[in-house]
Amino acid sequence: TQLLKQSPQFLSIQEGENLTVYCNSSSVFSSLQWYRQEPGEGPVLLVTVVTGGEVKKLKRLTFQFGDARKDSSLHITAAQTGDTGLYLCAGANQAGTALIFGKGTTLSVSS
Amino acid sequence: EAGVAQSPRYKIIEKRQSVAFWCNPISGHATLYWYQQILGQGPKLLIQFQNNGVVDDSQLPKDRFSAERLKGVDSTLKIQPAKLEDSAVYLCASSPTGQQIYNSPLHFGNGTRLTVT
Repeated sequence: TQLLKQSPQFLSIQEGENLTVYCNSSSVFSSLQWYRQEPGEGPVLLVTVVTGGEVKKLKRLTFQFGDARKDSSLHITAAQTGDTGLYLCAGANQAGTALIFGKGTTLSVSS
Repeated sequence: EAGVAQSPRYKIIEKRQSVAFWCNPISGHATLYWYQQILGQGPKLLIQFQNNGVVDDSQLPKDRFSAERLKGVDSTLKIQPAKLEDSAVYLCASSPTGQQIYNSPLHFGNGTRLTVT
């Protein structure tokens, strides 16, 4: 069974701080995606990482895919209140056609 | 382009009653997914359609849940009879093709929040 563990489960920080959230598995994934979900809305795709060791940057967000393709991290620099939300990592199932989600990290950024 | 549409947004029912959710995917998207998201957890795949055929329904509790996508466009998810543990947000998502996820990303609707009392 492919499982994705995210940590921490909850994170509450002040505006301007940096943070990192983690997504780990004992299984190898062909690709991993990160989504952000706001209350009352569906998840929205932030990034897809495919190659082991890959690093992608999206403004203040930096995503890394582990060399062995079993883990990933999301680093946010100088967090803003607009970054508040549920961050979900998701990996492709063995067929590569559907997503398996972690439980998510709930981020709260206060001013 | 218009996004994935879901209705209703909210539904409150008593246990043992039945309920149905509707999803209209993005136009032209061949693949449609239903996910269940219990409070505090990530979405869990219930069923995946490719056009009007079922690709994966291994995690659908078939004794009470059913889903159909008769014309390969809209889809309905039904629960009969509902249990307390079915309280969750039911998310519909679509993607252009059923090919590898990394090049055919999912687009989610805003979900239907079901409360079973």
